[in-house]
Amino acid sequence: AQRVTQPEKLLSVFKGAPVELKCNYSYSGSPELFWYVQYSRQRLQLLLRHISRESIKGFTADLNKGETSFHLKKPFAQEEDSAMYYCALRPRGSARQLTFGSGTQLTVLP
Amino acid sequence: EAQVTQNPRYLITVTGKKLTVTCSQNMNHEYMSWYRQDPGLGLRQIYYSMNVEVTDKGDVPEGYKVSRKEKRNFPLILESPSPNQTSLYFCASSLGPGEGDEQYFGPGTRLTVT
Repeated sequence: AQRVTQPEKLLSVFKGAPVELKCNYSYSGSPELFWYVQYSRQRLQLLLRHISRESIKGFTADLNKGETSFHLKKPFAQEEDSAMYYCALRPRGSARQLTFGSGTQLTVLP
Repeated sequence: EAQVTQNPRYLITVTGKKLTVTCSQNMNHEYMSWYRQDPGLGLRQIYYSMNVEVTDKGDVPEGYKVSRKEKRNFPLILESPSPNQTSLYFCASSLGPGEGDEQYFGPGTRLTVT
């Protein structure tokens, strides 16, 4: 069975500082990894997916199969980045939906 | 507007009183799921459905039922709710298990069972 671990429940950084939200996973096969974000009073929404290799709102994440990690990074945090962030995994090609981590609440201080 | 809707948004009920939370999507998605969100545990999948009349258990299916009689609707049924089912529930839909498939989430239903 797959498992996603986000070791930090809470993370605070100052505006303009770099931020890294950690995500580690365990899965023996080929995974698809995602980051979802939930802003205050809004529904959960996709931030980015490893398959796209894209940068969204300045965030990037690289899948490191050797370390089984998919950390989310942004070089200069903004106050509007404050939100709950979830890392999620799905076995490639699986009909089963996502397995989520427990989430990290990011607060960007002024 | 493409969206996933859930009703009700808030519900307080008593132990043992059957309830249904509705979920509807207007994107013609084949896949739909139910999750519950609890502090410190993140989102855990309850049930998912790959198409009409095709459903399967997720990680925490005990105490829940689902049905998929129409493509757009995927109701969550609690036959005999208990206090440990107090939680925030999310419905989600997606096109399918293609690479990078994105799930679209509903606004959530906050359920309290006393």
